Amino acid sequence: GENVEQHPSTLSVQEGDSAVIKCTYSDSASNYFPWYKQELGKRPQLIIDIRSNVGEKKDQRIAVTLNKTAKHFSLHITETQPEDSAVYFCAASLTGNQFYFGTGTSLTVIP
Amino acid sequence: GAVVSQHPSWVICKSGTSVKIECRSLDFQATTMFWYRQFPKQSLMLMATSNEGSKATYEQGVEKDKFLINHASLTLSTLTVTSAHPEDSSFYICSAFGYGTSGRASRDTQYFGPGTRLTVL
Repeated sequence: GENVEQHPSTLSVQEGDSAVIKCTYSDSASNYFPWYKQELGKRPQLIIDIRSNVGEKKDQRIAVTLNKTAKHFSLHITETQPEDSAVYFCAASLTGNQFYFGTGTSLTVIP
Repeated sequence: GAVVSQHPSWVICKSGTSVKIECRSLDFQATTMFWYRQFPKQSLMLMATSNEGSKATYEQGVEKDKFLINHASLTLSTLTVTSAHPEDSSFYICSAFGYGTSGRASRDTQYFGPGTRLTVL
């Protein structure tokens, strides 16, 4: 089955700096890669996703890149703000099937 | 995005009792729902995949007789933790993907419920 690894497990950045979280996956058949943000005690919220036919996607301060050959994808947050502090999870899946989640990254943005 | 609700949001029960958790898709039909378990500061662990009108598919290591899943309609799936014990204490979250009210299929994105915190004394 699919195996998703996520790094780093914790990340602290100064407000205004950029944050990058990286994930690798093992199953080349996976074609959908979402990123979720989870605040303490709350549900995971989809923040951005990318499909395997696209190499990069951007939504305001958030961007995701995908390298299918190397089987890795990354989340980039620019101009970080304190409200970006949360746990971020990457996932990989084959359309219509279960998600395989990474282990999560706890991001702290220091004001 | 689509809305998924869960009930109850928090439950405390005595050891040996059974607890039922409901997961509802409010504005779309959820042909498939997933049940996850999450321990503090850990990732989401898939317990089972629930398809409307058929038996759930359980992940390896998950006891199907202990965690009963029923998906009787396109908007409701239930998870019953039978004879709960303290080690079953956890955060249980459901998710769903299906068809939105716009008629647009979304077989990629999973929408999560708010979770149910179970504490077994």
